[in-house]
Amino acid sequence: EVQLVESGGGLVQPGRSLRLSCTASGFNFGHYIMNWVRQAPGKGLEWVALIRSNSYGGTTEYAASVKGRFTISRDDSKNIAYLQMNGLKTEDTAVYYCSRDADGNLDYWGQGTLVTVSS
Amino acid sequence: DVVMTQSPLSLPVTLGQPASISCRSSQSLASSDGNTYLNWFQQRPGQSPRRLIYKVSNRDSGVPDRFSGSGSGTDFTLKISTVEAEDVGVYYCMQGTHWPPYTFGQGTRLEIK
Repeated sequence: EVQLVESGGGLVQPGRSLRLSCTASGFNFGHYIMNWVRQAPGKGLEWVALIRSNSYGGTTEYAASVKGRFTISRDDSKNIAYLQMNGLKTEDTAVYYCSRDADGNLDYWGQGTLVTVSS
Repeated sequence: DVVMTQSPLSLPVTLGQPASISCRSSQSLASSDGNTYLNWFQQRPGQSPRRLIYKVSNRDSGVPDRFSGSGSGTDFTLKISTVEAEDVGVYYCMQGTHWPPYTFGQGTRLEIK
């Protein structure tokens, strides 16, 4: 059974950093693109970042709203995808989901982790 | 970026009646590989999104056959043949043809009348 479990969320002050983790199980993690998608309170879904498999260079892509501040990475030996978030802003407050990319896009999602940016 | 526009944004439906959600993209979602990467997701209250449909019309495993997807180019539709209570939630379309970024529609909130 495919499982994705996010962790690392919490309350953080503006300008500070936070690192989220997505621990995967039930599939060959190293073969898949992994994504982060966020949802601000009461709002819709916003794609944040993706990382390709190491077979495709482990290259990354970012939404314009986070480029230069967030970094996605992966550790295939641990089946974990990370999202390093620096220079956090109040508008980054959201539930952050990780999602596997297959069959034409995002097929499995985790339960999400809440990030609150507030002073 | 491709803009995805859903309608209606609110959809009150009587139990047992059909429902339909429209999704339009600002440019064709037909890919050069022959596929059209248009997905539909359901988000029940308090839950994570769940994919229902991928590549326009393919139902994910475990999705009831009362859900169906159709369309091409820039116009797509999600239909529920007979709405059940468990279908309450927000439905999103998402395009994966022209990325990055992947882009979502605003969401359609389905409620029972």
